[in-house]
Parts: sequence; structure tokens; C-alpha cells
Amino acid sequence: EAQVTQNPRYLITVTGKKLTVTCSQNMNHEYMSWYRQDPGLGLRQIYYSMNVEVTDKGDVPEGYKVSRKEKRNFPLILESPSPNQTSLYFCASLRQGLNTEAFFGQGTRLTVV
Amino acid sequence: RKEVEQDPGPFNVPEGATVAFNCTYSNSASQSFFWYRQDCRKEPKLLMSVYSSGNEDGRFTAQLNRASQYISLLIRDSKLSDSATYLCVVISGGSYIPTFGRGTSLIVHP
Repeated sequence: EAQVTQNPRYLITVTGKKLTVTCSQNMNHEYMSWYRQDPGLGLRQIYYSMNVEVTDKGDVPEGYKVSRKEKRNFPLILESPSPNQTSLYFCASLRQGLNTEAFFGQGTRLTVV
Repeated sequence: RKEVEQDPGPFNVPEGATVAFNCTYSNSASQSFFWYRQDCRKEPKLLMSVYSSGNEDGRFTAQLNRASQYISLLIRDSKLSDSATYLCVVISGGSYIPTFGRGTSLIVHP
């Protein structure tokens, strides 16, 4: 089954404790992206990757890092989480070309206390 | 001006009503257009693509107006299960980077 898998689904952590949210897709998509979603603000892009070893900042990259060492995985790293990073996070991969479609992971609800 | 704009709503309609949402985009080079549906706290899922000639899928009709740079979604005979947030997505030619609107909330009540 074609899918994007994020882990964990829920996470409560303390300020400053490094964490990683994993994202994996099994569709061989080149493009992957991370978003955060907050009430009233919609989906805001954090980082995206056009291919392996190619990453770029989105609209709200501060406080986040990503890596793309292999095509299927695109982890999101919070080196020193802060309460303002409490949010719902989505990873997505994009099937490009004739039948373009974005596929989303199920989301990670992060709370930083 | 935001690249993709939507009226956040909420649109509160009775079952059986017809409701329409618009989404405007600022980049005239945009090439691909979509409507996604997002249920509360769940991931967005593709509802339908929007083709230049307009397209229909059951009770849903999507249209594109390139001259005025907007797309629309019409829902006929609304069901309670249509309650959700509808996201407009625009992809510009060449970049393949999707831009999302903030979404329009629809509430269908009995």
C-alpha cells in the first residue's frame, strides 16, 4: 500500500530535549516536505527536499533541521524544542508529473512543556 | 498578498444544501490545481484535481477560471459527512512545490 509513515503520532517533551520525528514513504517520490499546522494559520511549510541531499527552507524553518540521506526518509529534527513549537506536524511526499498528488502522513501531535 | 487565499468560513449549511467555495491564487504561472479535504486533526487527503474544462465527481464540481485566477468547489446535496475543512492547493509550473490555502471550514447540520 502506498503510504507516508510518520512516527511518533503523539509526543510530549520538555523544553531543550532534542527530538526527531521520522517520515518514510514507499512510493519512490523525489519531493518530500514538512509542514506544521496551527489553528487559524493553515499548513505552513518548514522544509522541503527536491531529492536526496537537496533540502531547502520553507516559510518557517527556524528551530528545525532536516536531512535527506536516502530517498525514502526525511526526518525532522528539533535540536532544542521550545513551547512555541507545540503543533501538529505533517510530512508529505509528492508524486510529480501527469498525475500530481501530495500524500500526507497521519500527523504528529507535539507538545513541548 | 498571499499566494493562495481562501475564505476560512465556517460555512454553516443544512443537509441537502448546495454550497460553493472559492480560492484565489496570485501566481499566473500556476499550472496544477487541487482540492483537498481535511477532517479534524487528521491528514489532508486529495478530494479532486481541477481541470481547465472543469470536472465533476458525484456531488462535487470543481472549476478553474484562469482569467480571474481562481478555482471553485461546488458541493450539491450536502451530507453531514461533508463537514470538514477544504484546502485549495496550487502548484506552479516548473517548481512542483505545492502551495496550500489555509482552508475553508464547512459544517453541515441536520
